[in-house]
Amino acid sequence: KAGVTQTPRYLIKTRGQQVTLSCSPISGHRSVSWYQQTPGQGLQFLFEYFSETQRNKGNFPGRFSGRQFSNSRSEMNVSTLELGDSALYLCASSLAGTAVDTIYFGEGSWLTVV
Amino acid sequence: TQLLEQSPQFLSIQEGENLTVYCNSSSVFSSLQWYRQEPGEGPVLLVTVVTGGEVKKLKRLTFQFGDARKDSSLHITAAQTGDTGLYLCAGDRGAGNNRKLIWGLGTSLAVNP
Repeated sequence: KAGVTQTPRYLIKTRGQQVTLSCSPISGHRSVSWYQQTPGQGLQFLFEYFSETQRNKGNFPGRFSGRQFSNSRSEMNVSTLELGDSALYLCASSLAGTAVDTIYFGEGSWLTVV
Repeated sequence: TQLLEQSPQFLSIQEGENLTVYCNSSSVFSSLQWYRQEPGEGPVLLVTVVTGGEVKKLKRLTFQFGDARKDSSLHITAAQTGDTGLYLCAGDRGAGNNRKLIWGLGTSLAVNP
């Protein structure tokens, strides 16, 4: 079956702009989580969506937001981009996001802010 | 403050050598997962360990969960170039059926031919 698909794979934005990243989970998966990965901080949890509702949230400023659609596809948005937002943004899906579910990651979206 | 410390941060070895990487914490985890991430891709789950003292083997990879469920190790026997990648551990601090993963920074492994 198709894996987790993230678009776009690479993008360059300037400071102050906003960006929207998209994630299509594995068919049947209802939980979608977003992570930011940087060399210095590793994987940092942004938020998790389940059945169109944000179920968990990490410690990121309000500039980072997300949503999930009825078909479980998810988007995340970063407004007023800062240089420090340059990172690999990973989307992960699982059946229901419980402790026993396996998480499947997409290949990520590489964001560079200049 | 990094709740999960992975060591070493970088490791470069020759094909055929053995190696061990570590994942340590002062916190207790209900379970711990190991992932491998190759360049340009997302992490892929290798194993989940749940019980203190548990040992799991996956071909040439041996995973161990500490008795107190605070630390874990990954041992690779006769490393191959295909083992190259970033090895990440993630501990679950959630309660019941709710997952709350804490991630280490990873060990970057290079296996040279």
